[in-house]
Amino acid sequence: DVKVTQSSRYLVKRTGEKVFLECVQDMDHENMFWYRQDPGLGLRLIYFSYDVKMKEKGDIPEGYSVSREKKERFSLILESASTNQTSMYLCASTTGAGNYEQYFGPGTRLTVT
Amino acid sequence: DQQVKQNSPSLSVQEGRISILNCDYTNSMFDYFLWYKKYPAEGPTFLISISSIKDKNEDGRFTVFLNKSAKHLSLHIVPSQPGDSAVYFCAASARTGNQFYFGTGTSLTVIP
Repeated sequence: DVKVTQSSRYLVKRTGEKVFLECVQDMDHENMFWYRQDPGLGLRLIYFSYDVKMKEKGDIPEGYSVSREKKERFSLILESASTNQTSMYLCASTTGAGNYEQYFGPGTRLTVT
Repeated sequence: DQQVKQNSPSLSVQEGRISILNCDYTNSMFDYFLWYKKYPAEGPTFLISISSIKDKNEDGRFTVFLNKSAKHLSLHIVPSQPGDSAVYFCAASARTGNQFYFGTGTSLTVIP
């Protein structure tokens, strides 16, 4: 079974803090994604990566950055957390073009106070 | 602008009846469509998909219908079961397959 794990299920941070969200997949997938899920807005793509050290902006990259130093690990970084970044963050992976099924992690509920 | 829309935020259905969840899209370049199911406090899980070369795909109790001319797809669940109660997201992708666009979700409640 494909497994996508996220470092924390729940996280509480203060405004201005630097926040790291980690995601690891164990199936040698090429593509990895970070989404945020908000009520009434569905899943919105923040960043994705199709190879090590490669990244592409999604629909809402402002205030975020990412890092992919190893194939299995994709990190989302909030440089200076703000209250409007309180959300559910979901990581996903796929094998690559031609295989569209995404495997999701359990999510990290981030609260910024 | 939302390229994939699910206009019904919620749906309630009696156990054993049919559940029909709808999804509309605006981008004619989309050629692959997926449905995901999400329980609270879990990530979405893949349910069923359809390519634009088909108009129907069936997997057990789940059937997805695609109407390309109307840019509309629907998910039918027959018969509905209480364990089907979850939020359902539709998603779409263009040929490159690197980016996916999700709808806002429909919360399905199946009443025993």
